[in-house]
Amino acid sequence: GEDVEQSLFLSVREGDSSVINCTYTDSSSTYLYWYKQEPGAGLQLLTYIFSNMDMKQDQRLTVLLNKKDKHLSLRIADTQTGDSAIYFCAERDSSYKLIFGSGTRLLVRP
Amino acid sequence: NAGVTQTPKFRVLKTGQSMTLLCAQDMNHEYMYWYRQDPGMGLRLIHYSVGEGTTAKGEVPDGYNVSRLKKQNFLLGLESAAPSQTSVYFCASRSRLAGRNNEQFFGPGTRLTVL
Repeated sequence: GEDVEQSLFLSVREGDSSVINCTYTDSSSTYLYWYKQEPGAGLQLLTYIFSNMDMKQDQRLTVLLNKKDKHLSLRIADTQTGDSAIYFCAERDSSYKLIFGSGTRLLVRP
Repeated sequence: NAGVTQTPKFRVLKTGQSMTLLCAQDMNHEYMYWYRQDPGMGLRLIHYSVGEGTTAKGEVPDGYNVSRLKKQNFLLGLESAAPSQTSVYFCASRSRLAGRNNEQFFGPGTRLTVL
C-alpha cells in the first residue's frame, strides 16, 4: 500500500532556512500536501503541489517535487519561532483520501 | 463560522467502558473523517463518510463504529474501550467541491486515555 515517510525532528536557528523532506511510494499520486500542526491544535493546510509541477513558491514557502525519486521537500525561508510546529507531508490516493507521513517536528531556536 | 468542533476535548475511560466522540461542522461539507494520531505514526484514518447516511472503513476501523445521521455531525463510538485506543482523535471535513487542493479542515482534537 501507500507509504509516506519523513524524518522525525529538525532544529534550526531563527533566521535560517528550514528544509523538511518527505518520500512517498504511490507514483500515481496527483497531489501532495504539507500540513502544519501547532501544539494542541488540529492540522492546517499550508500548501500543496500538483504532480506535473517541479516547484511551487508561496511567500516564504517553497515546495520542490522530484517525481522520479518520489521525493517532496518544504523549504521555509527566514524561519521564525512561530514556525515551530509539526509538519506533515501527505499524498492523495486514488480514492481522494489522504495518506499522512509521521510528521517532522521543527524546533526554531532563538 | 466555528469550523470543525469536537466534543469532548479530554476524556479518561476505564477498560471496557464505552463512549461517543462528537464532531460537528458548520461549513455544509459533504465529506467527514475520523483519524487517530499516535506518537511517531502520523494520522491514520479510522472511518469516513461521503455524505449523510453513508460511512466507510478507513485504515484502522477495528474497535470503532461511526454514524452520520445528520450532514453536519459525525459520531465516533468506542463500544468497549481498550488501552490500545489511547490516542488523540481528530475529525476533519471537506467539501465535495474542494477541487485541486482537496483541503480538509481539522477540529482541535480529543485526547482520550484508556486505563
